Amino acid sequence: TQLLEQSPQFLSIQEGENLTVYCNSSSVFSSLQWYRQEPGEGPVLLVTVVTGGEVKKLKRLTFQFGDARKDSSLHITAAQPGDTGLYLCAGDLSGTYKYIFGTGTRLKVLA
Amino acid sequence: AAGVIQSPRHLIKEKRETATLKCYPIPRHDTVYWYQQGPGQDPQFLISFYEKMQSDKGSIPDRFSAQQFSDYHSELNMSSLELGDSALYFCASSLEGLGSSGANVLTFGAGSRLTVL
Repeated sequence: TQLLEQSPQFLSIQEGENLTVYCNSSSVFSSLQWYRQEPGEGPVLLVTVVTGGEVKKLKRLTFQFGDARKDSSLHITAAQPGDTGLYLCAGDLSGTYKYIFGTGTRLKVLA
Repeated sequence: AAGVIQSPRHLIKEKRETATLKCYPIPRHDTVYWYQQGPGQDPQFLISFYEKMQSDKGSIPDRFSAQQFSDYHSELNMSSLELGDSALYFCASSLEGLGSSGANVLTFGAGSRLTVL
């Protein structure tokens, strides 16, 4: 059973388009992080959200944590080819040292 | 700034052999996590250690074992290797509550790629 489901799994868009990636769970997380991973490399942290309803912006990226701390979204405005990569959400299950990754979204931005 | 160091970066083994992966966390980080990432898969949590004690276990096979040493480095030992063990193995470290928000923020190493032939 996958605790964190991401959608869509794959996304191919043109440069300049907007997109949203979703990360959903039935579990409550103490915190939720978004990572981007390049092939053959380790995941690199983009943002951490902790408070339900929290919204964080990182240049063209906007992250939101659901009110109930069970889901999150990542919105990219005016995507660029440099945004291409695997986007992973990861959650910190309350009271544990288990840090669970979502199923991942592979984004390809075409020039 | 120092990062999480993993070694070796690449390892090729035969079936039924044994492999050991090493992870050196960021200095002062007290928690180490191990993940396995198969081709096209998301990272799967294997095991974590907090202050040298095993803290949580995920989908780690019985053929695998891990420990964290007094200097906080960790080793993942894999025995009776199978073809399906071929994957990228990531180690991450964190300092509990380090993030500005108080959350555990993991820093990942570059990974060790294990190929079992």
